[in-house]
Amino acid sequence: GAVVSQHPSWVICKSGTSVKIECRSLDFQATTMFWYRQFPKQSLMLMATSNEGSKATYEQGVEKDKFLINHASLTLSTLTVTSAHPEDSSFYICSARDPDRNEQYFGPGTRLTVT
Amino acid sequence: AQSVAQPEDQVNVAEGNPLTVKCTYSVSGNPYLFWYVQYPNRGLQFLLKYITGDNLVKGSYGFEAEFNKSQTSFHLKKPSALVSDSALYFCAVRPSGGYQKVTFGTGTKLQVIP
Repeated sequence: GAVVSQHPSWVICKSGTSVKIECRSLDFQATTMFWYRQFPKQSLMLMATSNEGSKATYEQGVEKDKFLINHASLTLSTLTVTSAHPEDSSFYICSARDPDRNEQYFGPGTRLTVT
Repeated sequence: AQSVAQPEDQVNVAEGNPLTVKCTYSVSGNPYLFWYVQYPNRGLQFLLKYITGDNLVKGSYGFEAEFNKSQTSFHLKKPSALVSDSALYFCAVRPSGGYQKVTFGTGTKLQVIP
């Protein structure tokens, strides 16, 4: 099946700094990518939907200025957590939609810990 | 609005016994239904999906699920559980027709006891 990668797989940063997470579709061109956040023992919450070449659509309650999403190419989307705080610590998962197969594939996730 | 309910936070089953993880859904129109499995600190792995056709869907690792339209359910089943099946299972739904947002259930932790 199609592969979606995320980098880094885990990151620790200090409070107040910014951290960037990359999501890549390795063997297909993803017109749409999704970013999810997962708290311990909870479900995935959709944060935003990004379409290549246009602004991301954020879900209600997600701060656009804090979670910057860029989908500059058909194989890469990035999520930047700006001015991170300990409450931003979470597991972030991206997924990419393959338009040819009309399927959504998930990345392995990134564990963010803000100290 | 669409929604998914997984009524059990955790399911315990003895190795070798059949397992069932429950899922009910609510969506406008015809549903596309999915099951995913997640191992600790890992992303989601696709198990199976229902789009149309046979109500019994067979997926990866011996899992299957039955779509029941009248009960709006899509329970995950396996005839004989393995210890390695222990993981977190998510049911998900989206409406058919074009591509629309997928909604996930809260997850059910499956514990297979040796």
